[in-house]
Amino acid sequence: AQKVTQAQTEISVVEKEDVTLDCVYETRDTTYYLFWYKQPPSGELVFLIRRNSFDEQNEISGRYSWNFQKSTSSFNFTITASQVVDSAVYFCALTSAGSRDDKIIFGKGTRLHILP
Amino acid sequence: DAGVTQSPTHLIKTRGQQVTLRCSPKSGHDTVSWYQQALGQGPQFIFQYYEEEERQRGNFPDRFSGHQFPNYSSELNVNALLLGDSALYLCASSVGGTGAYQPQHFGDGTRLSIL
Repeated sequence: AQKVTQAQTEISVVEKEDVTLDCVYETRDTTYYLFWYKQPPSGELVFLIRRNSFDEQNEISGRYSWNFQKSTSSFNFTITASQVVDSAVYFCALTSAGSRDDKIIFGKGTRLHILP
Repeated sequence: DAGVTQSPTHLIKTRGQQVTLRCSPKSGHDTVSWYQQALGQGPQFIFQYYEEEERQRGNFPDRFSGHQFPNYSSELNVNALLLGDSALYLCASSVGGTGAYQPQHFGDGTRLSIL
């Protein structure tokens, strides 16, 4: 069975600090996709990144970076120089690849508070 | 460019009643998925509609049903409401009915409260 664990329920940091959100996943599939979504107070989930299981390259997008390590089944998300606008709930998600029968599994989320 | 729109924003019902939630996908999208998000939890997949048919379904009872219209908009119906159905219901759209591995665009959700 597939599973996504976000062990950090809630994190608070002061603005401009760096923060890393952890995500550990379980799957028996060799081909799968991992996602990060952001959920601000307004409620809608905003897609941040998708990574497939064959691409272990780390990615950087502005202040955001992602570290994917298959050896530890982790897909961690780092925000550099955090800002108050980064305050939200962040979800890591997992799905198998390519089949119309595949379903997406979300973690329970990490609530991030950026304090001014 | 209109994003995913959901209505109503909030809804209060009592146990045993029935409810219908509505969703219009992002312009250019033809696939709609519905999710239930309980307080403090991640979204749980209910089902996906493409070409006016239910293509995938999560672990939800038959009380949860849906429909997709020719204009790609969708409805989620829940019968015989239970207290445990209280949640934020999210609609997401994507393209081509290609499965959950496509990035999805989400609406703001409908907050359903059961008394």
